[in-house]
Amino acid sequence: AQSVTQPDIHITVSEGASLELRCNYSYGATPYLFWYVQSPGQGLQLLLKYFSGDTLVQGIKGFEAEFKRSQSSFNLRKPSVHWSDAAEYFCAVGPSGGSYIPTFGRGTSLIVHP
Amino acid sequence: SQTIHQWPATLVQPVGSPLSLECTVEGTSNPNLYWYRQAAGRGLQLLFYSVGIGQISSEVPQNLSASRPQDRQFILSSKKLLLSDSGFYLCAWEGPNSYEQYFGPGTRLTVT
Repeated sequence: AQSVTQPDIHITVSEGASLELRCNYSYGATPYLFWYVQSPGQGLQLLLKYFSGDTLVQGIKGFEAEFKRSQSSFNLRKPSVHWSDAAEYFCAVGPSGGSYIPTFGRGTSLIVHP
Repeated sequence: SQTIHQWPATLVQPVGSPLSLECTVEGTSNPNLYWYRQAAGRGLQLLFYSVGIGQISSEVPQNLSASRPQDRQFILSSKKLLLSDSGFYLCAWEGPNSYEQYFGPGTRLTVT
């Protein structure tokens, strides 16, 4: 069965600092990978996705993620964090093997200090 | 463009009362639809999904049920709410062959 691990429950960074959120997955083939962001009290918003091709993908709000097959990772990065980036971030793997069910990680809460 | 609506936005219900949460999608046809729940400080729990009208798959056996009476309408129901049903309920749609999901604004349910 596929799984997604986000090893960091909380991450605290200072505004203007760089950010990397970790995501590791377990999957039998080339996965469809996603990062979503959830602001307090709101639904999830798709930040970026990887299906195939270039392993460095650009998303909205200045985020990017890099797919590394050898490490089974899909880490999210941003060079300079803004206070408005404080939110919950979810990594996800798309359905596989005829299933319709995606797999979400438990989420990483990003705290931004001024 | 596609939009997804959920209502109500917030709901406070007593234990044992019924529940009906509605989700509608605009601007797309034949979407896969999903109901998730988030308990406080927890991740997403998939409750139900639907790949077509009248087709409901349940992932969690509990006192909740779901229905899809129309192509772009997905309803979450309960006959008798439990305290443990409190949480943030999210509806999402997934376009055919795209796998990415688009979420509604959510419903905050508090069972008292």
